[in-house]
Amino acid sequence: KQEVTQIPAALSVPEGENLVLNCSFTDSAIYNLQWFRQDPGKGLTSLLLIQSSQREQTSGRLNASLDKSSGRSTLYIAASQPGDSATYLCAVRRVGNQFYFGTGTSLTVIP
Amino acid sequence: SQTIHQWPATLVQPVGSPLSLECTVEGTSNPNLYWYRQAAGRGLQLLFYSVGIGQISSEVPQNLSASRPQDRQFILSSKKLLLSDSGFYLCAWHFQMNTEAFFGQGTRLTVV
Repeated sequence: KQEVTQIPAALSVPEGENLVLNCSFTDSAIYNLQWFRQDPGKGLTSLLLIQSSQREQTSGRLNASLDKSSGRSTLYIAASQPGDSATYLCAVRRVGNQFYFGTGTSLTVIP
Repeated sequence: SQTIHQWPATLVQPVGSPLSLECTVEGTSNPNLYWYRQAAGRGLQLLFYSVGIGQISSEVPQNLSASRPQDRQFILSSKKLLLSDSGFYLCAWHFQMNTEAFFGQGTRLTVV
């Protein structure tokens, strides 16, 4: 069974800092990996999707990397802003339409 | 463009009452549809997924059921709610295995 771990569970940084969120998974046989953000009491907003054949994807201040062989992905956030405060979730997709989610990293950006 | 609608946004129901949560997707056909539950302080738990009309797969045995009466409609139901059914229910969809998945805004269910 696929297990997804996100470290750290919580992170607090001052505004303007660059930061890295980590996601690791136990089974490298994945179709893709997707990063989401979740604001309190809200649904999940898709941030980036990385296919298993890709190494990274970029969107604005966000950059996600994927090392499938080692079972790791990172989400890099440049020049963090208070509006980036949210919980960040990674999810891997395997055969059988199943998403496996990590438990998330709660990010607080202090003005 | 595709959008996903989920309702109601919040719901308070007594123990033993029935439940019906609805999710619809617009702007696409034959989506893969999912129901997830997120309990307080815990990760997302897959409840059901569907790859087509009338095709439902259950991941967790419990007193919930799902139905897909139309291509873009996915319904989560219960005949008698338990206190443990409280949580945040999320509907999601994607078109094909290698495409981006999108989530609805969720339904906060409180069973009292």
